[in-house]
Amino acid sequence: SAVISQKPSRDICQRGTSLTIQCQVDSQVTMMFWYRQQPGQSLTLIATANQGSEATYESGFVIDKFPISRPNLTFSTLTVSNMSPEDSSIYLCSVEDRERAYEQYFGPGTRLTVT
Amino acid sequence: GQNIDQPTEMTATEGAIVQINCTYQTSGFNGLFWYQQHAGEAPTFLSYNVLDGLEEKGRFSSFLSRSKGYSYLLLKELQMKDSASYLCAVRDRVWGKLQFGAGTQVVVTP
Repeated sequence: SAVISQKPSRDICQRGTSLTIQCQVDSQVTMMFWYRQQPGQSLTLIATANQGSEATYESGFVIDKFPISRPNLTFSTLTVSNMSPEDSSIYLCSVEDRERAYEQYFGPGTRLTVT
Repeated sequence: GQNIDQPTEMTATEGAIVQINCTYQTSGFNGLFWYQQHAGEAPTFLSYNVLDGLEEKGRFSSFLSRSKGYSYLLLKELQMKDSASYLCAVRDRVWGKLQFGAGTQVVVTP
């Protein structure tokens, strides 16, 4: 399966600042997704990162708060803007592997704490 | 929209078998996934079912009935390391986003 890395693995940020999370895949993939997992909760999709066009956001998530870039088929970034303590979560990127019957795999995640 | 239900917690002893059920109601369906997630870690892919029937992978098996909107994950010969949250997720299109259930916390006791 595709090997996915994320940077940073964790960070502690102050309220009002922004953090950009990077997701790198070792092979070209068509579909990349960004999820959030708040403490004690399941995963919620933030957006689908589309290569060459604007990301597709889920209900409750907006581009101004979570801008996403997808410059090529192996890389994407998610920015968490103007952070508040409610943004403290694990942020995960995932990819869909069409070479393996469309299975989806997750990166190791970025644990964000906002103080 | 989609509704995905799974039990909150299950407890079993080492060496036993546990079956985690997942029921779903979706506008479309193109596959059901099971993931294992240990505390503080990312979800790990376990299985993917798109056709009815049983898929076996070592100690883990997954079953799907599309007509009943039902799946289960069967864990055999439980080991202490199997203590984790197990997430059921449904994909409603050929490609794309997954909708996750709340997860089932499995506790394996000696």
